[in-house]
Amino acid sequence: DQQVKQNSPSLSVQEGRISILNCDYTNSMFDYFLWYKKYPAEGPTFLISISSIKDKNEDGRFTVFLNKSAKHLSLHIVPSQPGDSAVYFCAASAGGNKLVFGAGTILRVKS
Amino acid sequence: EPEVTQTPSHQVTQMGQEVILRCVPISNHLYFYWYRQILGQKVEFLVSFYNNEISEKSEIFDDQFSVERPDGSNFTLKIRSTKLEDSAMYFCASSSGEDEQFFGPGTRLTVL
Repeated sequence: DQQVKQNSPSLSVQEGRISILNCDYTNSMFDYFLWYKKYPAEGPTFLISISSIKDKNEDGRFTVFLNKSAKHLSLHIVPSQPGDSAVYFCAASAGGNKLVFGAGTILRVKS
Repeated sequence: EPEVTQTPSHQVTQMGQEVILRCVPISNHLYFYWYRQILGQKVEFLVSFYNNEISEKSEIFDDQFSVERPDGSNFTLKIRSTKLEDSAMYFCASSSGEDEQFFGPGTRLTVL
């Protein structure tokens, strides 16, 4: 099931700089997109979401951009902090209910 | 801040045995879910539950699996006869509507 893809397994960023995590999807029925952060041995923690009727949503240091024509979304973290180091999952749903997850991107923020 | 809780954190069982994984969703949430993550793989949807019945289930959720909300607070996942390939992290999640789902810390199931 490759409906949600995160093509970068890992990303390394210097503290204070911008982190950009990318996600692509194939199912045009997806209408809600979410980003989760996960530490080892913990459950996914909800970060930010966006509905398909919007193209941007911002919450503090986190901004999600949605490009429906390209079926692409991205998460921007500015400024990046060492505590942001974790695995970031993109997820999508169609009409609510089940989430389809990407494989995740490991973010390392170096101090 | 309200959170989803899960017990036990780690369950070890012998192949063929029954296991019950327990979850306490966030109290005012109405939608409940189970997901699993096999080591090195994606988080996969198993089942969703609303209004005391299953609303959707995946191909993984076969007759060996069942869910129940036995009282007003608990939500359980039962695996009747565990197989080696059931070894995974099992996550419970809940939501108030068709929006953000909040996940518990997970139960690591090891089948020997």
